[in-house]
Amino acid sequence: QSALTQPASVSGSPGQSITISCTGTSSDVGSYNLVSWYQQHPGKAPKLMIYEVTKRPSGVSNRFSGSKSGNTASLTISGLQAEDEADYYCCSHAGSSTFVVFGGGTKLTVL
Amino acid sequence: EVQLVESGGGLVQPGGSLRLSCAASGFTFSTYSMHWVRQAPGKGLEYVSTIGGNGGSTYYANSVKGRFTISRDNSKSTLYLQMGSLRTEDMALYYCVRGGSSWYYFDSWGQGALVTVSS
Repeated sequence: QSALTQPASVSGSPGQSITISCTGTSSDVGSYNLVSWYQQHPGKAPKLMIYEVTKRPSGVSNRFSGSKSGNTASLTISGLQAEDEADYYCCSHAGSSTFVVFGGGTKLTVL
Repeated sequence: EVQLVESGGGLVQPGGSLRLSCAASGFTFSTYSMHWVRQAPGKGLEYVSTIGGNGGSTYYANSVKGRFTISRDNSKSTLYLQMGSLRTEDMALYYCVRGGSSWYYFDSWGQGALVTVSS
């Protein structure tokens, strides 16, 4: 199973909004509303930011939002802050034979 | 507070075996699916394996199927990953992860156990 496709890097200035895309296929992203997003700062464990496409865990800022259209899911971060600079990974259920598949990761730089 | 603490990582030769453990606390262990996710140095996240709360259901990535075995001891709130026939490409930081209510997302992560495969 191939990884989901994410841009290698995105950047934005403080206060701006950015969107990270996550493109899969009709066998994963397109078939299930089971996309999640993780934030990982250098040397730290990943942190759940969005689950089931649009849901935010308790404690995650409402500046983070998720969506999906067809085979592509997206993570939008509004009002960029310096602390948002990190790597972001998407993940999707991909059927019982594969369980889940991750995207390759996107490095967000806050200029 | 949810805590997941991995142990058992280390240096192993290609073809060797290693068992990782993950001690869980702060939640009712038996009611959650548990997972292993790994990250090679400088690389992205890779799914490894899943086990249901009662241990009755298990899933594996194709890359480890037949070589790794996931298990759990609910009486000890501990998750295991028995790794065999290790390859250099298995070298990574292995995270113990708690599954969410739908199994397919990961809501709490340990700090990881480093597995180095080298001769």
